[in-house]
Amino acid sequence: EAGVTQSPTHLIKTRGQQATLRCSPISGHTSVYWYQQALGLGLQFLLWYDEGEERNRGNFPPRFSGRQFPNYSSELNVNALELEDSALYLCASSQPGLAGGKNTGELFFGEGSRLTVL
Amino acid sequence: AQKVTQAQTEISVVEKEDVTLDCVYETRDTTYYLFWYKQPPSGELVFLIRRNSFDEQNEISGRYSWNFQKSTSSFNFTITASQVVDSAVYFCALSEGSKTGANSKLTFGKGITLSVRP
Repeated sequence: EAGVTQSPTHLIKTRGQQATLRCSPISGHTSVYWYQQALGLGLQFLLWYDEGEERNRGNFPPRFSGRQFPNYSSELNVNALELEDSALYLCASSQPGLAGGKNTGELFFGEGSRLTVL
Repeated sequence: AQKVTQAQTEISVVEKEDVTLDCVYETRDTTYYLFWYKQPPSGELVFLIRRNSFDEQNEISGRYSWNFQKSTSSFNFTITASQVVDSAVYFCALSEGSKTGANSKLTFGKGITLSVRP
């Protein structure tokens, strides 16, 4: 069974540009989470999507946005890139949460997309 | 607000030594989940263990063991007879519980870099 897949693996942008990162969850998983892992800052929660809706958002400016598609894949968009947006962006998926009653909290992570802003 | 503290930032041991990674957490929830994840150089976080707040029983899995103590809000991880392949960054994480299971929005500690030398 395929794990969580993310693309692109690496992305280089310049300040002010926009970046789009993509994530495909494990089959059967409806929740998708985005985390930012910046050097020295650890893993910071960005966004949580479940059943196509944004369920929760971390402490990030509005230029970080995303969406979840009907097939549960997800996109993370970062507008007006700044140098400090350079980080590894990790996507994770989990089993049905709000309605399923079986979500025990285990997240399955992809290998991440490394964004470099020059 | 939830908080996870991993006071150790880097640990270096020689192969076959035992090593304990500390984790202290803060939460106002009575129901919560604690996790340990391993991040090898490839970047993908690998799930190691989940423990819910109502189960203080310690767990052993091969060379790994976990000591959960609510009285001190700690969830420490011990690797016995460490091996070079154990070299990685280890994260402790915390999530809120809910009626339908764990809310998978995780609060991570900053991670501990473990280096095991041959």
